[in-house]
Amino acid sequence: GAGVSQSPRYKVAKRGQDVALRCDPISGHVSLFWYQQALGQGPEFLTYFQNEAQLDKSGLPSDRFFAERPEGSVSTLKIQRTQQEDSAVYLCASSSRTSWDEQFFGPGTRLTVL
Amino acid sequence: KQEVTQIPAALSVPEGENLVLNCSFTDSAIYNLQWFRQDPGKGLTSLLLIQSSQREQTSGRLNASLDKSSGRSTLYIAASQPGDSATYLCAANTGANSKLTFGKGITLSVRP
Repeated sequence: GAGVSQSPRYKVAKRGQDVALRCDPISGHVSLFWYQQALGQGPEFLTYFQNEAQLDKSGLPSDRFFAERPEGSVSTLKIQRTQQEDSAVYLCASSSRTSWDEQFFGPGTRLTVL
Repeated sequence: KQEVTQIPAALSVPEGENLVLNCSFTDSAIYNLQWFRQDPGKGLTSLLLIQSSQREQTSGRLNASLDKSSGRSTLYIAASQPGDSATYLCAANTGANSKLTFGKGITLSVRP
């Protein structure tokens, strides 16, 4: 079956622009996660949804970052007024039931802020 | 706060060698530990998941072990091949806030 998909795969933004990154989880997966991966580093947790409820947003680096999953399936990560330090790969993952099930990752969106 | 460490950062071995990748974590109260493979410019591919109640998991030439009391996990790769060249990351799920805490990864190069 289809895995986790993300779009766009690459995004170049000028500093100050707003961007929206989309994640389509595996169909039927309850849990959805966003991670940020800087070059040469491991991914770092941003936020977690169980269905449409955002249960943990402790990893969001600033109030410029906002995530939503209004119908409990597709999720969007929005970054307002992008800064150069926001340049990274943004990874989405989903798991079938609970947060401690195996997480399956999408290919990521590489964001470059000029 | 959970911290995950993977040492060394890079490893180069000749084809056919058996090898062990190490992962250590500071908080033993984990729900599970997951090993991933990442190819350049790609996302993460899940290799093995070990629940906290398990000691090891096997998939083909891969075997992962978990020792919660010592805060360690190892990924054993048998008969390495050039196609195994990639970055291998381990991640601990502490469950309290549902997140995976990752190490920085070990970049493996298998020489033909």
